[in-house]
Amino acid sequence: QKEVEQNSGPLSVPEGAIASLNCTYSDRVSQSFFWYRQYSGKSPELIMSIYSNGDKEDGRFTAQLNKASQYVSLLIRDSQPSDSATYLCAVGGPRFGNEKLTFGTGTRLTIIP
Amino acid sequence: DADVTQTPRNRITKTGKRIMLECSQTKGHDRMYWYRQDPGLGLRLIYYSFDVKDINKGEISDGYSVSRQAQAKFSLSLESAIPNQTALYFCATSDPNTKTGGTQYFGPGTRLTVL
Repeated sequence: QKEVEQNSGPLSVPEGAIASLNCTYSDRVSQSFFWYRQYSGKSPELIMSIYSNGDKEDGRFTAQLNKASQYVSLLIRDSQPSDSATYLCAVGGPRFGNEKLTFGTGTRLTIIP
Repeated sequence: DADVTQTPRNRITKTGKRIMLECSQTKGHDRMYWYRQDPGLGLRLIYYSFDVKDINKGEISDGYSVSRQAQAKFSLSLESAIPNQTALYFCATSDPNTKTGGTQYFGPGTRLTVL
């Protein structure tokens, strides 16, 4: 059974600092990786997707993927109070775009003003 | 208008009642999913459908059934609700074989309470 592990937190970061969220996965042949943000009582919304080893940047967000180590991370630069949320890591299967996702339990992030 | 809608948004019911949660989407996606979310347990897959004629059980399908009435509609039923089915329920859609890599898009959720 595929597993996706995240530190549940809570992770507290001062406003303006860098928040670092980590995720490991068990299925070595996974091809697609996603970070979702979820505010309390709301639905998950996609923040970043990454498919190749290395870094992918989008504004203040950077996703990092290392398939050899089965590790994916999300960095949030210049953290803002509005970034306070739970961040879900999701991992797809071996057939790119053609598999259901496995979600981690999420890391709760709090940005301290 | 939202691409993925769920009705009702909130529901309180009693043990033993039959409940149906509905999901509609205008994204044109073939694939639809039902999840439940409980505190500390993350998103758990109940059922998924890769097209109108393809329905599959997820990891926690016991006590639930689904119906895919059309490409755009996917309903979840609790035949006889029990208190431990109290949770936040999400519908999601995805489009395979595209550059999105299977990204799932979620509806707003239904908060179900079974007394």
